[in-house]
Amino acid sequence: AQSVTQPDIHITVSEGASLELRCNYSYGATPYLFWYVQSPGQGLQLLLKYFSGDTLVQGIKGFEAEFKRSQSSFNLRKPSVHWSDAAEYFCAVTRSNDYKLSFGAGTTVTVRA
Amino acid sequence: EAGVTQFPSHSVIEKGQTVTLRCDPISGHDNLYWYRRVMGKEIKFLLHFVKESKQDESGMPNNRFLAERTGGTYSTLKVQPAELEDSGVYFCASSPSVNTIYFGEGSWLTVV
Repeated sequence: AQSVTQPDIHITVSEGASLELRCNYSYGATPYLFWYVQSPGQGLQLLLKYFSGDTLVQGIKGFEAEFKRSQSSFNLRKPSVHWSDAAEYFCAVTRSNDYKLSFGAGTTVTVRA
Repeated sequence: EAGVTQFPSHSVIEKGQTVTLRCDPISGHDNLYWYRRVMGKEIKFLLHFVKESKQDESGMPNNRFLAERTGGTYSTLKVQPAELEDSGVYFCASSPSVNTIYFGEGSWLTVV
């Protein structure tokens, strides 16, 4: 069975500083990987996804993620965070022929002025 | 283009009562999913419709939960009778394919 681990439950970062959120997956074949964000009172919004090809993917809101097969990781990064990036971030994985997403536990990001 | 729409956005009911959540997917999306996140837990898959057919309902917790998608358009998720542990956020999502799954804003259910 596939699983996703987000080791950091909560991260606090200063506005303007860089951000990196970790995601490790456990899966035998090539996974489809996603990052979603949930802002307070909002639904889940897709930030970016990886299926194949270039292992560095660009997403919305200035986010990017890098797929590292050797480390079974798909970490999310942003060079300079804004106060509006305060939210909960979820990493998710599925198989190429499966629609069922497995989510990590989520990482809450707090942005301080 | 309208996104995935869920109703109600918030619901507070007493234990033993019934609640019905509704989801309107993005027009033209054959795939519709229900997920939920109960307090302190991960977001978990409940079930998947392809048009009006249940493709995968392996995540449904028990027979108190009933999902329908008559006519292959909107879907309902009924919880009857509701228990305290059913409290959480119920997300609906839709997609034309596995490439991009769009989520709604969720229906927040509180059972007291």
